[in-house]
Amino acid sequence: QVQLVESGGGVVQPGGSLRLSCAASTFAFSSYDIHWVRQAPGKGPEWLAHVRPNGYSHFYADSVKGRFTVSRDVSEKRSYLQMSSLSSDDTAVYYCATGPSHGAFNIWGHGTMVTVSS
Amino acid sequence: DIVMTQSPDSLAVSLGERATINCKSSQSVLKNSNNKNYLAWYQQKPGQPPKLLIYWASTRESGVPDRFSGSGSGTDFTLTINSLQAEDVAVYYCQQYYNSPMYPFGQGTRLEIK
Repeated sequence: QVQLVESGGGVVQPGGSLRLSCAASTFAFSSYDIHWVRQAPGKGPEWLAHVRPNGYSHFYADSVKGRFTVSRDVSEKRSYLQMSSLSSDDTAVYYCATGPSHGAFNIWGHGTMVTVSS
Repeated sequence: DIVMTQSPDSLAVSLGERATINCKSSQSVLKNSNNKNYLAWYQQKPGQPPKLLIYWASTRESGVPDRFSGSGSGTDFTLTINSLQAEDVAVYYCQQYYNSPMYPFGQGTRLEIK
């Protein structure tokens, strides 16, 4: 079963940008939809973005549309979440997840923390 | 957009008793073409990502104890935990994955031991 590992989190100033990475353990990753989900401190999960296996179809929650861009690199077995115009509201743990068997998210990474603060 | 609403927000149940959590979708998540409800339940413990418990509204994920069960169809769903164990203390979330490509979660139900 594929494993996912996020990286790239850290502290960024308001208005800044950050790129998160989600690394997969298998090339089967190339056939999976990849989702990005975040969870602010003390809050529930918020679905953010989705990239289909072809890499050309991507979808976003209204809260991040126009600011976040999801992509994937099949050769590197990675998905990326490029985030810009960050505000304190974007402070959260960011996860990548997938559900190759049935669509529900049965595979999650451990998450990477993003803190937006001056 | 589909909105998922859970009830109650928190719940305290005695060990060995039954816990029931409800989830209501603002739109039906039943796909008529395959008669499947695109509704999932997750369990989350502190410091961990959500863990999938139930998909297709009532199918247990591999390895999930059979004291966890899901039911419902259309817009109203229930997660039932029979014979509550101490390790079941967690926050539980429902999620719809019918209205692809949007996948909203419910606000969560915190389950504690009474």
